Amino acid sequence: DTGVSQDPRHKITKRGQNVTFRCDPISEHNRLYWYRQTLGQGPEFLTYFQNEAQLEKSRLLSDRFSAERPKGSFSTLEIQRTEQGDSAMYLCASSAYISEAFFGQGTRLTVV
Amino acid sequence: TQLLEQSPQFLSIQEGENLTVYCNSSSVFSSLQWYRQEPGEGPVLLVTVVTGGEVKKLKRLTFQFGDARKDSSLHITAAQPGDTGLYLCAGLSAGGTSYGKLTFGQGTILTVHP
Repeated sequence: DTGVSQDPRHKITKRGQNVTFRCDPISEHNRLYWYRQTLGQGPEFLTYFQNEAQLEKSRLLSDRFSAERPKGSFSTLEIQRTEQGDSAMYLCASSAYISEAFFGQGTRLTVV
Repeated sequence: TQLLEQSPQFLSIQEGENLTVYCNSSSVFSSLQWYRQEPGEGPVLLVTVVTGGEVKKLKRLTFQFGDARKDSSLHITAAQPGDTGLYLCAGLSAGGTSYGKLTFGQGTILTVHP
């Protein structure tokens, strides 16, 4: 197992376009987290899953953001009608139930 | 809402100096994790502390979990330029509606000058 994998590593998109990111967690990890991070700041919670169930979604997130984990394995995060303020690093992490979380390398989104 | 206050936000020191980073909250956590992150990469887990009063050592790094499991500290002895990075603490919620949710502090940007 090579750890948490995120794809793509970098994404440049025009304002108004939709983007989708993928996260493959460590196998057998039933918890999966999505965070957003801007330069020099701590990660900001977006949402998390236990298996395929989405347990919580940040109230800061607009309806343009949606995440799925259909079979309790990989997850996708979609941003519709992107805005320049969406430019950030999007991080995915996984954990085995209530335990330490391991992060992927992130997807750097730039909206131009 | 559980908040983690991390301080200082910035730390710039000379090689060989010691430093301490603090992570404080009014909430109780089931565990607390410390990460180090380099630019353009994801956070890398350094240590997890679980028991109140627990102290863990990782070479020149010493991590402590408060007795009440609300706060933690990271102490680095004889800092080296390779220690430069963003240090993050993260608490795992102990109960309530956000049970098992991982919440991060704002981070401490450490720069160690040769």
